[in-house]
Amino acid sequence: QLQLQESGPGLVKPSETLSLTCSVSGGSIISTNFYWGWIRQPPGKGLDWIGSIFYTGGAHYNPSLESRATLSVDTSKNHFSLKLRSVTAADTAVYYCVRYYYIDSGTYHRCFDHWGQGAHVTVSS
Amino acid sequence: QSALTQPASVSGSPGQSITISCTGTSSDVGGYNYVSWYQQYLGKAPKLIIYAVNIRPSGVSNRFSGSKSGNTASLTISGLRTEDEADYYCSSYLAPSTLIFGGGTKVTVL
Repeated sequence: QLQLQESGPGLVKPSETLSLTCSVSGGSIISTNFYWGWIRQPPGKGLDWIGSIFYTGGAHYNPSLESRATLSVDTSKNHFSLKLRSVTAADTAVYYCVRYYYIDSGTYHRCFDHWGQGAHVTVSS
Repeated sequence: QSALTQPASVSGSPGQSITISCTGTSSDVGGYNYVSWYQQYLGKAPKLIIYAVNIRPSGVSNRFSGSKSGNTASLTISGLRTEDEADYYCSSYLAPSTLIFGGGTKVTVL
């Protein structure tokens, strides 16, 4: 059973960098069928896609966050990471790591089929 | 990119059917059959219940069904149960390589 687990600081100061890691167990991050990504949810609000990364390192980002976000992948540790620079209070949210089901046997799916439990991150001095 | 438009809330009585709409544009919902739906209970991570407009993942109740017409996708819950009370989000692919979500719909079982 595939499991995703977020880890990282729960409190980040304004203007600093938010760093989170997602550890994947029960399956390999090396797959041509999936991307790996991050989605966040501010308190009381909806879901916001941050970006997705392939195991080779190729990534796609939400245009609204592209200038501040960087995704990376470490296949030797079977995990992937998010860095979000210059954070403000507006970046306070629950951050979910997800598996993006991209393609299977030539058919595109483009959906988020596995989610981590979520990491609460507060931006405050 | 703008969020997809969903009603803020939908309600129904046990046993009834309800439908949640998700309206986008010809660049997202209307242009591709990559609409997915997620169910989220309070304080929990979302769960995929529909993908590719109308496909249910293994283990998801057949009371959930999806459809699309033009720029609007829909999620129908039939035989409404108290356990269906949750927030529901739609999502769509937006070329060239991005994903967008709807604002979410709170389903209340009366």
